[in-house]
Amino acid sequence: SQQGEEDPQALSIQEGENATMNCSYKTSINNLQWYRQNSGRGLVHLILIRSNEREKHSGRLRVTLDTSKKSSSLLITASRAADTASYFCATPRSPSGNTGKLIFGQGTTLQVKP
Amino acid sequence: GAGVSQSPRYKVAKRGQDVALRCDPISGHVSLFWYQQALGQGPEFLTYFQNEAQLDKSGLPSDRFFAERPEGSVSTLKIQRTQQEDSAVYLCASSRGQGTDTQYFGPGTRLTVL
Repeated sequence: SQQGEEDPQALSIQEGENATMNCSYKTSINNLQWYRQNSGRGLVHLILIRSNEREKHSGRLRVTLDTSKKSSSLLITASRAADTASYFCATPRSPSGNTGKLIFGQGTTLQVKP
Repeated sequence: GAGVSQSPRYKVAKRGQDVALRCDPISGHVSLFWYQQALGQGPEFLTYFQNEAQLDKSGLPSDRFFAERPEGSVSTLKIQRTQQEDSAVYLCASSRGQGTDTQYFGPGTRLTVL
């Protein structure tokens, strides 16, 4: 079974625009992670935000976490065609996070048109 | 090698055949994970190794699935008597330590059962 629900399922934008993806989860978490998957390639870890953090930045990526609403968002600013991919949120199975087992959402497919 | 490698990249099997999928983790990584990803879905956890010990196999769908990591490095996922519902991408990931360390994913093996 999957932990997260992602919204929207698909998103299409023009190059230069911002893209926002949302993730909701069900149980208490230690951290939440975002991954990117290009067509035909493996998952690439983008960013990890811990449960005591509300916002985190990495380059053009901005992640927020609201533990009271059990939700997170990923914002990609100034998008590029190379950002076209599927994006997944993932949480460790146990609240303490010490098993390493990740539960993934169903993903958001982002298309950035040049 | 620089990253996690998997072989073969593509495997076509006739229903009832046995298959073996190989994962070479990043050298020195203690933890190794297997995930199954159906088309259009997020990855789902199968099993977890810490060195040679299989600490969690709760995600294996049936007793036809078997994984091993005898020397704490390379791992093999074996599926016996394959069925059509086994068709998926099988992803391997490794992490340096245990628990919440970042997981690095391989490109996956796409298994098609006819």
